[in-house]
Amino acid sequence: DSGVTQTPKHLITATGQRVTLRCSPRSGDLSVYWYQQSLDQGLQFLIQYYNGEERAKGNILERFSAQQFPDLHSELNLSSLELGDSALYFCASSVDGRDPIYEQYFGPGTRLTVT
Amino acid sequence: GESVGLHLPTLSVQEGDNSIINCAYSNSASDYFIWYKQESGKGPQFIIDIRSNMDKRQGQRVTVLLNKTVKHLSLQIAATQPGDSAVYFCAENAGGSYIPTFGRGTSLIVHP
Repeated sequence: DSGVTQTPKHLITATGQRVTLRCSPRSGDLSVYWYQQSLDQGLQFLIQYYNGEERAKGNILERFSAQQFPDLHSELNLSSLELGDSALYFCASSVDGRDPIYEQYFGPGTRLTVT
Repeated sequence: GESVGLHLPTLSVQEGDNSIINCAYSNSASDYFIWYKQESGKGPQFIIDIRSNMDKRQGQRVTVLLNKTVKHLSLQIAATQPGDSAVYFCAENAGGSYIPTFGRGTSLIVHP
């Protein structure tokens, strides 16, 4: 158990809908990262938050957004869902995202299926 | 459990054998490398890391080798066990970046 929790574990929804994925980082970790893992793309970095502020952005679609709250949990919002958004979404946390030398702890993931 | 389902390279070994998983990285500016293990239905798990000022680092039953000349990274697992069956990813970080770029992974299958 990494100490990172993600809810829900599974999510099935229809095209055009909007969903929210939730992540609670390990106690004491200030950075949260979101990744998408799909069948054909592998593990892709989406976005990072550090202590409530956006720190880095990767291949995140404009239909997707995220935020980190004062209690450091984070939510990833996916809207206008398309079939191609079906994937595993992972959250990871680390102690201090400002230091390149870090270890990320991954949550168990949320399996999103868009039908 | 759930699997990624990628069409990944696969390495099949017998229990007790040594395993070597290879990874080619692309960015010559990368100076920090990590190996992750992902078991079916779980998130990636940190195994071992290495900085670019080293060419070898050992952990418990695992060794990472780095060849910067040819931009190649390998993970050696000694006395492979069925519990080592998983997908293994290498990840690279360019200097100053804390966002890793992940390789596509290798599926390791250990036969008892």
